[in-house]
Amino acid sequence: GQQLNQSPQSMFIQEGEDVSMNCTSSSIFNTWLWYKQDPGEGPVLLIALYKAGELTSNGRLTAQFGITRKDSFLNISASIPSDVGIYFCAGFSGGSNYKLTFGKGTLLTVNP
Amino acid sequence: KAGVTQTPRYLIKTRGQQVTLSCSPISGHRSVSWYQQTPGQGLQFLFEYFSETQRNKGNFPGRFSGRQFSNSRSEMNVSTLELGDSALYLCASSPGTVINEKLFFGSGTQLSVL
Repeated sequence: GQQLNQSPQSMFIQEGEDVSMNCTSSSIFNTWLWYKQDPGEGPVLLIALYKAGELTSNGRLTAQFGITRKDSFLNISASIPSDVGIYFCAGFSGGSNYKLTFGKGTLLTVNP
Repeated sequence: KAGVTQTPRYLIKTRGQQVTLSCSPISGHRSVSWYQQTPGQGLQFLFEYFSETQRNKGNFPGRFSGRQFSNSRSEMNVSTLELGDSALYLCASSPGTVINEKLFFGSGTQLSVL
């Protein structure tokens, strides 16, 4: 089945630093999404990407849909303490096989 | 708009029992999906319902079942609970007229099986 490899598994950074994380897949996806999960809550959609090569920003967050359609990247600039949480990438193939395939997440800790 | 509501938030059961979890989607959303989240496996797709019909199913045993009612509310049932069923169960809704990848998640039900 489809699998997403998300890295790094965890990051511990200082407030104000920039952060990068990525997801790679052996399969092609038509849509890439990035979610954030705060402790005790469900994931919240941050950014959705629909086209190979697409670069999309949401405030301090920027994500890219890889040209090969098998990878995606998320960058967070000037991190703040409330950025703490688990970030998940997810791929969507479309068609009749409807489901999101999730990466295992990147745990981000920001030291004030 | 109110978000996705899941009840209960926490549940403790013993092996062999069965459990029913409930999910109320965002008003107007007709698709409800269920995911199991564990530290080791991450988020795994269970099934998706649209207009009271199961539209897609993940790779879980038949002990996991669900249904959707005419008001789009959904329930998930797990029978003959096993220790490995301990997990956070997340429900997500989407407008669902066409298969929609933008999911809105509830806060989940944390199930502990002893």
